[in-house]
Amino acid sequence: AQSVTQLDSHVSVSEGTPVLLRCNYSSSYSPSLFWYVQHPNKGLQLLLKYTSAATLVKGINGFEAEFKKSETSFHLTKPSAHMSDAAEYFCVVSPWGRDDKIIFGKGTRLHILP
Amino acid sequence: DADVTQTPRNRITKTGKRIMLECSQTKGHDRMYWYRQDPGLGLRLIYYSFDVKDINKGEISDGYSVSRQAQAKFSLSLESAIPNQTALYFCATSDPTSGRAYEQFFGPGTRLTVL
Repeated sequence: AQSVTQLDSHVSVSEGTPVLLRCNYSSSYSPSLFWYVQHPNKGLQLLLKYTSAATLVKGINGFEAEFKKSETSFHLTKPSAHMSDAAEYFCVVSPWGRDDKIIFGKGTRLHILP
Repeated sequence: DADVTQTPRNRITKTGKRIMLECSQTKGHDRMYWYRQDPGLGLRLIYYSFDVKDINKGEISDGYSVSRQAQAKFSLSLESAIPNQTALYFCATSDPTSGRAYEQFFGPGTRLTVL
């Protein structure tokens, strides 16, 4: 069985300050982990993914995430928020090679304050 | 750029009506998916298809059916729409052989309202 929990439904940060979006997962298998972003009235776009290579994964637009097996976490970070980062972010888990078993988190809406 | 398109983008219908949502892709991917998104619930998988002859139920398939007319086309039908099917529906594709295994590419979504 597997599950994914996004610990915050809303996060607000000021422009230029760091961003932290938290994600914990549970998986009976070796997991693949993803972060997707959804801008208003748009489909989802892949930010980054972990597939058992480096534990620190770099993605697009300055985002990165670190896979910590001992903490079952895959938190998303960015050193300096930009107004264009305002969106909803989804943490996603699937067993390696089994995207029919994909599970989406409930999402974290990121608000950027001027 | 290769793309995933969905039609219609918005649809308002009445309870009991049959409707079809269509998805087309020019990515050449074999795998296609239908999801629904409800506020605060994330995305949930309705149906998926790994090729034209392989269609499978996802987490929440009751009340829905699908048709894979070709590699590029995957349609979702609501035989008799009900209000709790009001949601945002996404089509997605993936291609595990591409070297970007299991990344899913999403269409822009169809906003469906059932009155």
